[in-house]
Amino acid sequence: EAGVAQSPRYKIIEKRQSVAFWCNPISGHATLYWYQQILGQGPKLLIQFQNNGVVDDSQLPKDRFSAERLKGVDSTLKIQPAKLEDSAVYLCASSQGDLRNTQYFGPGTRLTVL
Amino acid sequence: AQSVTQLGSHVSVSEGALVLLRCNYSSSVPPYLFWYVQYPNQGLQLLLKYTTGATLVKGINGFEAEFKKSETSFHLTKPSAHMSDAAEYFCAVSVGNEKLTFGTGTRLTIIP
Repeated sequence: EAGVAQSPRYKIIEKRQSVAFWCNPISGHATLYWYQQILGQGPKLLIQFQNNGVVDDSQLPKDRFSAERLKGVDSTLKIQPAKLEDSAVYLCASSQGDLRNTQYFGPGTRLTVL
Repeated sequence: AQSVTQLGSHVSVSEGALVLLRCNYSSSVPPYLFWYVQYPNQGLQLLLKYTTGATLVKGINGFEAEFKKSETSFHLTKPSAHMSDAAEYFCAVSVGNEKLTFGTGTRLTIIP
């Protein structure tokens, strides 16, 4: 089966610009996650969707980050405006259900903010 | 709140030697525990997980881990290291149905 797809793979922007990342989960997976992985750290959950509803966005910096999952399939994560500290790899993952189920990760988008 | 500690940010072992990557967690209730592997420029891949039942869990690529409640540990082992095992390894914990909390990772280097 096809894995989790993400685009773009790399993005370089200047601070205060906006950027958007796209994720297409594995077909049939109801749960979608966005993680931020800063160099030298483990991934940190930004937002979790169950179908097209938000389950957990407690660690999403809502003043600059937004995410949506229209129709319960694809998802977009946006940053506006970007800050230097947003430089990281943004990982999308999907699973069939709750946390006992395996999360499948995409290859990530590496964002560099100059 | 749950937390994960991975002892040793870098571990080097010789090819054919035992691999031991350490993970300790903090949780007041029985956790779900996971080990993920990340190869360069790739996403994370699940190696193994413990949710309930047998405390010795076998995963892919010859890895296994044992849940020890008394030691709050979930160390990852492999009897004989292979060059292809070189990667970054992350331990993660979830309590109840809360989000996964990842450790800071251990970079495993295999010496030929």
